[in-house]
Amino acid sequence: GNSVTQMEGPVTLSEEAFLTINCTYTATGYPSLFWYVQYPGEGLQLLLKATKADDKGSNKGFEATYRKETTSFHLEKGSVQVSDSAVYFCALTERSNFGNEKLTFGTGTRLTIIP
Amino acid sequence: DAGVTQSPTHLIKTRGQQVTLRCSPKSGHDTVSWYQQALGQGPQFIFQYYEEEERQRGNFPDRFSGHQFPNYSSELNVNALLLGDSALYLCASSVTSGTYNEQFFGPGTRLTVL
Repeated sequence: GNSVTQMEGPVTLSEEAFLTINCTYTATGYPSLFWYVQYPGEGLQLLLKATKADDKGSNKGFEATYRKETTSFHLEKGSVQVSDSAVYFCALTERSNFGNEKLTFGTGTRLTIIP
Repeated sequence: DAGVTQSPTHLIKTRGQQVTLRCSPKSGHDTVSWYQQALGQGPQFIFQYYEEEERQRGNFPDRFSGHQFPNYSSELNVNALLLGDSALYLCASSVTSGTYNEQFFGPGTRLTVL
């Protein structure tokens, strides 16, 4: 079956530091890959996505590239802010005829940014 | 435009009881998925409803059941509650169109089983 393995947290960085959160996946087909963010007391929000190999998803300064050869989708940001403090989830979904297959999530990485 | 809403926000039950959680999808969405998020874990897929029928199901026992109404809202029912059912239950809505469409998540219902 499908699975997602994320870098364990928590991760604590100073403001303006460079961020990398590692994510690797196992899938039987050609999945679409996602990063979701969960702020305290809120539901999940889609941060970025990539639907095929070599695609780069980007949003709010975050980037991740779909690497089929290494089955990875690492999240990066060049300069983090205090407002980026949240829990980040890597996820995948298999494509299907009806389009909305279930999401398979990693365990999440808690990120704390110190001023 | 209201997003995905869930009720109640918090719920406390005792072992053996039954619980019903509710979800109203985002306007224009016809598909509802339910996820269980245990403390410190990622969400786990429970099931998905489309056209008032269960379309997909994850590895959850039959104690977990659901329903979708003609207005696309949905309920999650859990019978014979166990301590291990304590979790945040997330509802996600989307549009079924043959291509992947973003799933929008609600804020969740926090269930505590004592």
